[in-house]
Amino acid sequence: GNSVTQMEGPVTLSEEAFLTINCTYTATGYPSLFWYVQYPGEGLQLLLKATKADDKGSNKGFEATYRKETTSFHLEKGSVQVSDSAVYFCALISGSRLTFGEGTQLTVNP
Amino acid sequence: SQTIHQWPATLVQPVGSPLSLECTVEGTSNPNLYWYRQAAGRGLQLLFYSVGIGQISSEVPQNLSASRPQDRQFILSSKKLLLSDSGFYLCAWSVLADRGYNSPLHFGNGTRLTVT
Repeated sequence: GNSVTQMEGPVTLSEEAFLTINCTYTATGYPSLFWYVQYPGEGLQLLLKATKADDKGSNKGFEATYRKETTSFHLEKGSVQVSDSAVYFCALISGSRLTFGEGTQLTVNP
Repeated sequence: SQTIHQWPATLVQPVGSPLSLECTVEGTSNPNLYWYRQAAGRGLQLLFYSVGIGQISSEVPQNLSASRPQDRQFILSSKKLLLSDSGFYLCAWSVLADRGYNSPLHFGNGTRLTVT
């Protein structure tokens, strides 16, 4: 079956630091890949997506590249802000079903 | 544009009482609809999904059931709540995009259920 593995948290950074959250996946066929963000007490928001190999998704300064050869979709941001503090989920969709990673808690300190 | 509404936002219910959580989607037709639960911690568990009216797939045997009486309405129910049903319940929708790929899932704001 499909699975998503993302780096365990929590991750704590200082403002303006570089962020990487690793994500690798196992899937049959050609899944689409996503990063979602969940702010405290809220639902999940789609942060970015990539639908085929070598696609780069980007939004709000975050980027992730769909790497088929390494089955990875790592999330990066060059300079994090306090407002980026949230839980980040890597996910893939194959057919009608979305498979999530376990989430990574990010805390950014001023 | 499409919107998803989920209510109530918070709910406190005693053990053994019934449950009904409702989710509606506007601005799209024939969406795929989903119920997820997020227990303490961060993991998301798919409970039910539906690709059409009256079509419900259950992912995990449990105390809950789902129904889809209308195209854009998805209801999560229980006849008798258990303490273990406490959690954060999220409704989501997607549509079948080009080339057979599904669009991303779009989530509601969730319902925080506490069973006492």
